[in-house]
Amino acid sequence: NAGVTQTPKFRILKIGQSMTLQCAQDMNHNYMYWYRQDPGMGLKLIYYSVGAGITDKGEVPNGYNVSRSTTEDFPLRLELAAPSQTSVYFCASSGRARWLHFGSGTRLTVV
Amino acid sequence: GESVGLHLPTLSVQEGDNSIINCAYSNSASDYFIWYKQESGKGPQFIIDIRSNMDKRQGQRVTVLLNKTVKHLSLQIAATQPGDSAVYFCAENTEMYSGGGADGLTFGKGTHLIIQP
Repeated sequence: NAGVTQTPKFRILKIGQSMTLQCAQDMNHNYMYWYRQDPGMGLKLIYYSVGAGITDKGEVPNGYNVSRSTTEDFPLRLELAAPSQTSVYFCASSGRARWLHFGSGTRLTVV
Repeated sequence: GESVGLHLPTLSVQEGDNSIINCAYSNSASDYFIWYKQESGKGPQFIIDIRSNMDKRQGQRVTVLLNKTVKHLSLQIAATQPGDSAVYFCAENTEMYSGGGADGLTFGKGTHLIIQP
């Protein structure tokens, strides 16, 4: 199993541009999450999903959108990128156990 | 504000010594706690978890202690090795959907464990 796979690993965006961060998991987990991690800080929850077709806002959802059309995929959409969205983004999933499996992250810089 | 936090941002220990990383939480409704290890440039990696009906849980070279009275969590690493150098996060969960899973974890800021030779 590959676990949780995130693409791209790095991206530089100009202010106002849009992009989609991809996340896929092959563990058949129902629950998926997007977190952001700012330098020297812990992780903050952006959005989460408890199954295909169901998504909910986390602590810091503004400026982001998600969709969950399949169990495997949970893309995160940034519209009108802003410098405040410069961060490292982590996708995660969980199954019966309550702990999360994390991907390797996407480092995004908005200039 | 954050409901989960750590006492020290950096902890320096000698190789071979035991390490103790502390965490305080404020939500008394939290019933599940996890420790993660994050190496530079990588995603967080699960180390060990503990439920609120337990006081102690041991893994390989790691022990987690939970004191619900003072809302304190600690991670003990025995015989610290260079490979233990990382940032350690505690995380908590307060809700759970029936049948398992979670609606997301709340993370502290992390403690950077530095191993001195």
